[in-house]
Amino acid sequence: GEDVEQSLFLSVREGDSSVINCTYTDSSSTYLYWYKQEPGAGLQLLTYIFSNMDMKQDQRLTVLLNKKDKHLSLRIADTQTGDSAIYFCAEINAGGTSYGKLTFGQGTILTVHP
Amino acid sequence: DGGITQSPKYLFRKEGQNVTLSCEQNLNHDAMYWYRQDPGQGLRLIYYSQIVNDFQKGDIAEGYSVSREKKESFPLTVTSAQKNPTAFYLCASSADSRGPQHFGDGTRLSIL
Repeated sequence: GEDVEQSLFLSVREGDSSVINCTYTDSSSTYLYWYKQEPGAGLQLLTYIFSNMDMKQDQRLTVLLNKKDKHLSLRIADTQTGDSAIYFCAEINAGGTSYGKLTFGQGTILTVHP
Repeated sequence: DGGITQSPKYLFRKEGQNVTLSCEQNLNHDAMYWYRQDPGQGLRLIYYSQIVNDFQKGDIAEGYSVSREKKESFPLTVTSAQKNPTAFYLCASSADSRGPQHFGDGTRLSIL
């Protein structure tokens, strides 16, 4: 079945770049998502990438996709204290299934310190 | 503003009691979902609905029930059969079953 793995913790200094990594197993994945969750809140959709793309940039966020290695990364440039949160990688197989089931990683806790 | 509203934000359940969590969306989305989140874990799918008057079990449906009588509403009932209900419950919706899912702010359920 599908599986999504993320490292659990990342600590960076304010102003540096953060890179959060994710690996997935479903080679049929069609879309890959990054969500942000602040304490006590729901999930905020940050960005997503289609499986036929290698890279997507959106302001401070850059998503890189290596389909061969099934590796996805999220780079946050000029990381700020407001970026401290849990970041979830998720993938969906919108091809053969009758509905788009999102499979989530366990989340990476990003801590930004001054 | 369009969005997803979950209520209440906090909910307490007594032993043997059923409780219902509300989820309303004004995004005109066809598909709606309920997830459960436990500390240090990702989200697990409880139920989903692709269209009004239709819903399907997700990965952990036991002890839960849902209804979808209106497009904008997808309430979740946590029944007394759910022996470990303490968790953070998140509702989501998407334009269709393949589109990006947008989430509400969640309901935290605890046992008294």
